[in-house]
Amino acid sequence: NAGVTQTPKFRILKIGQSMTLQCTQDMNHNYMYWYRQDPGMGLKLIYYSVGAGITDKGEVPNGYNVSRSTTEDFPLRLELAAPSQTSVYFCASSLRTGVNTGELFFGEGSRLTVL
Amino acid sequence: EDKVVQSPLSLVVHEGDTVTLNCSYEVTNFRSLLWYKQEKKAPTFLFMLTSSGIEKKSGRLSSILDKKELFSILNITATQTGDSAIYLCVGGSQGNLIFGKGTKLSVKP
Repeated sequence: NAGVTQTPKFRILKIGQSMTLQCTQDMNHNYMYWYRQDPGMGLKLIYYSVGAGITDKGEVPNGYNVSRSTTEDFPLRLELAAPSQTSVYFCASSLRTGVNTGELFFGEGSRLTVL
Repeated sequence: EDKVVQSPLSLVVHEGDTVTLNCSYEVTNFRSLLWYKQEKKAPTFLFMLTSSGIEKKSGRLSSILDKKELFSILNITATQTGDSAIYLCVGGSQGNLIFGKGTKLSVKP
């Protein structure tokens, strides 16, 4: 099983550029999440989705946008990249909420550097 | 503000040692406490704890929750080099997960 697949694994952006981090899962999970992990810090929730067509902001949504047109896909868009968005981004999914099941399935991460 | 604090932040031990990782939490509408292991890439799930005093075990790893003291520990006995990783403690409330900064464990041969 592929699980949660993120692309790209690495990307360098210039300030002001835009890009999309792709995330797809093949487990038919309703819930999907985007987290960022800064050095020495825990994961912080950017956006999440409880099903196709439904998205909501997490703890640190500014500078990002998401969409959920299908159950499988949950892309994260950076419109005007800033150095503060340099981080490692993780996409995750779960069958129900992370609180109820405990088990988030994570992608392998995307390391983004904004110069 | 909700927070999860882990200690120590880093730890170096030798193979065969037993280690205890600590996690304290302040989470509004607390529902569960989760532990994840993060090696070079994505975190992988270890345990979810919802009830006080009930130990969960998986091989050499075990964990317990104290909801009165808002505290959890993760024990690893007879450590191996493959246990080297960052261990993340996560507090779960209704619809939200608050991650601690993690404890970096290094196990030397």
